[in-house]
Amino acid sequence: DTGVSQDPRHKITKRGQNVTFRCDPISEHNRLYWYRQTLGQGPEFLTYFQNEAQLEKSRLLSDRFSAERPKGSFSTLEIQRTEQGDSAMYLCASSPLGGSSYNEQFFGPGTRLTVL
Amino acid sequence: AQKVTQAQTEISVVEKEDVTLDCVYETRDTTYYLFWYKQPPSGELVFLIRRNSFDEQNEISGRYSWNFQKSTSSFNFTITASQVVDSAVYFCALSGPTGGGNKLTFGTGTQLKVEL
Repeated sequence: DTGVSQDPRHKITKRGQNVTFRCDPISEHNRLYWYRQTLGQGPEFLTYFQNEAQLEKSRLLSDRFSAERPKGSFSTLEIQRTEQGDSAMYLCASSPLGGSSYNEQFFGPGTRLTVL
Repeated sequence: AQKVTQAQTEISVVEKEDVTLDCVYETRDTTYYLFWYKQPPSGELVFLIRRNSFDEQNEISGRYSWNFQKSTSSFNFTITASQVVDSAVYFCALSGPTGGGNKLTFGTGTQLKVEL
């Protein structure tokens, strides 16, 4: 059973460019979450999906950020017109809705974004 | 609003010492879940334990043990006979009931350094 995967693992971009990250959750996990982690801090919630529906977005998710999960499987997180303040680790997690592991979130390795 | 406080920023111990990581939480939910995650230098968050608000039994798993006390809103984590491989950042996290999406609110983490 494979875990959560994220691509790319590292991304360096120039300010003003658009970037897109991909997350592949554990198969059959209904819920998918995006978090952002800056240096020395804990992860902060950005948004989550239940199947293909985006059910909640944090106020941290400005209008430059958009996330999709079109078929209820993988998800993408796009940041438009990147700013230096967007530099962080972007973490994806997935969770089943039932079973012995319900409510447990399994995290991927993250995508580290550096905006120059 | 939910909040998790990990007052210990960094702890250094010598191998084989016992160490306790503190976690204090705030929530208005009557049903909630508490978690501990480990983040080794590789960066990937590793799930350690989940407790729900109705189960205050302490738990032991190998060298790990957890002390959940609702009266003091604390969920402390003890490592017995620490090892160098325990060196990591440890995060305590809190989520609300399943109907609210179970997004995690993390503390700022405690950096544990275990030295020979």
